[in-house]
Amino acid sequence: AQTVTQSQPEMSVQEAETVTLSCTYDTSESDYYLFWYKQPPSRQMILVIRQEAYKQQNATENRFSVNFQKAAKSFSLKISDSQLGDAAMYFCAYRTQYGNKLVFGAGTILRVKS
Amino acid sequence: GAVVSQHPSRVICKSGTSVKIECRSLDFQATTMFWYRQFPKQSLMLMATSNEGSKATYEQGVEKDKFLINHASLTLSTLTVTSAHPEDSSFYICSASRERESNQPQHFGDGTRLSIL
Repeated sequence: AQTVTQSQPEMSVQEAETVTLSCTYDTSESDYYLFWYKQPPSRQMILVIRQEAYKQQNATENRFSVNFQKAAKSFSLKISDSQLGDAAMYFCAYRTQYGNKLVFGAGTILRVKS
Repeated sequence: GAVVSQHPSRVICKSGTSVKIECRSLDFQATTMFWYRQFPKQSLMLMATSNEGSKATYEQGVEKDKFLINHASLTLSTLTVTSAHPEDSSFYICSASRERESNQPQHFGDGTRLSIL
């Protein structure tokens, strides 16, 4: 069974600075999908970014980018120019190629200081 | 697009009551819907996978008779917490996947905060 590990329970970043959230996973599959979801205090789950394992190029969405290291099974999220609205709980998630079930990490609470 | 509506957003009821939570995909057909439970500051725990027209698949440790799931159409799945007790108080979230889009992310509802007195 696949597992997802987020080793940072909490992180802090100064407004306008850059922060990186870590995520590692364990799988024996070669093709799969990885996601980062954001959950603000409203508790709505918001998709931040996704990565297909067969793509070597790291995904980027505006201020959000990932560092996908397939061999190391690592999928970190970098948030540039952090904003107060980025404060939330961030979940890393894994999905197998052949199904829709998501496996979530424990989450990282990100605090943004003004 | 890809909007998932979950209702109600908040429920407060007495112990012993049965509570029904609805999850609707508003602008797409969802052959599969998922039900999660989340405790404060914790991750989402998958409870069951709901497939249209068939029985739900429950995760290990989830009581089927306590958490009844029905997926009667391609746009609606319901979770009924039967004879709810205070320990069932939690945040419940549904999500849905588009039909035939295996590479697409799940789309989440806004969640239901259930409080059993």
